[in-house]
Amino acid sequence: AQSVAQPEDQVNVAEGNPLTVKCTYSVSGNPYLFWYVQYPNRGLQFLLKYITGDNLVKGSYGFEAEFNKSQTSFHLKKPSALVSDSALYFCAVRDINDMRFGAGTRLTVKP
Amino acid sequence: DTGVSQDPRHKITKRGQNVTFRCDPISEHNRLYWYRQTLGQGPEFLTYFQNEAQLEKSRLLSDRFSAERPKGSFSTLEIQRTEQGDSAMYLCASSLGQGQGSGNTIYFGEGSWLTVV
Repeated sequence: AQSVAQPEDQVNVAEGNPLTVKCTYSVSGNPYLFWYVQYPNRGLQFLLKYITGDNLVKGSYGFEAEFNKSQTSFHLKKPSALVSDSALYFCAVRDINDMRFGAGTRLTVKP
Repeated sequence: DTGVSQDPRHKITKRGQNVTFRCDPISEHNRLYWYRQTLGQGPEFLTYFQNEAQLEKSRLLSDRFSAERPKGSFSTLEIQRTEQGDSAMYLCASSLGQGQGSGNTIYFGEGSWLTVV
């Protein structure tokens, strides 16, 4: 079965600094990879996805992610973090009929 | 374009009572999903519908849980004889469906929080 792993429970970064939230995947066949963000007591909001094509995917709110096949990674990045980016981030992989999520990484951006 | 909507957003119920959640997907989406999320965890798949047909159920979906999508539009998730372990956020989501392993994005609602006391 397809799966993703998020090795960091928590990421702290200062406002204005670049941020990276890590994700690695394990799939058979071509991976369909996604990033979602969740604010407190809210549902998940779609940020971006990789299906095929360019390894660098651009998404909402200035986020981007880099697909790396050799390292089986799909890390989420942003050049300059905002305090409002503080939230829970989930990496996910499309399985046959549903989406499989990582455990989540809590991003805290400090002023 | 309205997104996925869920009702109620919050429900507190006593153990042993039945509860029902409703989900209205994005109108043109033929696939509808239910997930459960507990604190500190990622969402876990419960079940999904292709139009009105329920095509897959997770082993997490015990006999006390039942989901329906009678006309292929809105869906309900009912939990009978609730237990404290059922306390969680129940997320509904929808997508277009084009066969298995589709790269179509799944869009989530705001979730329905259930607290069983």
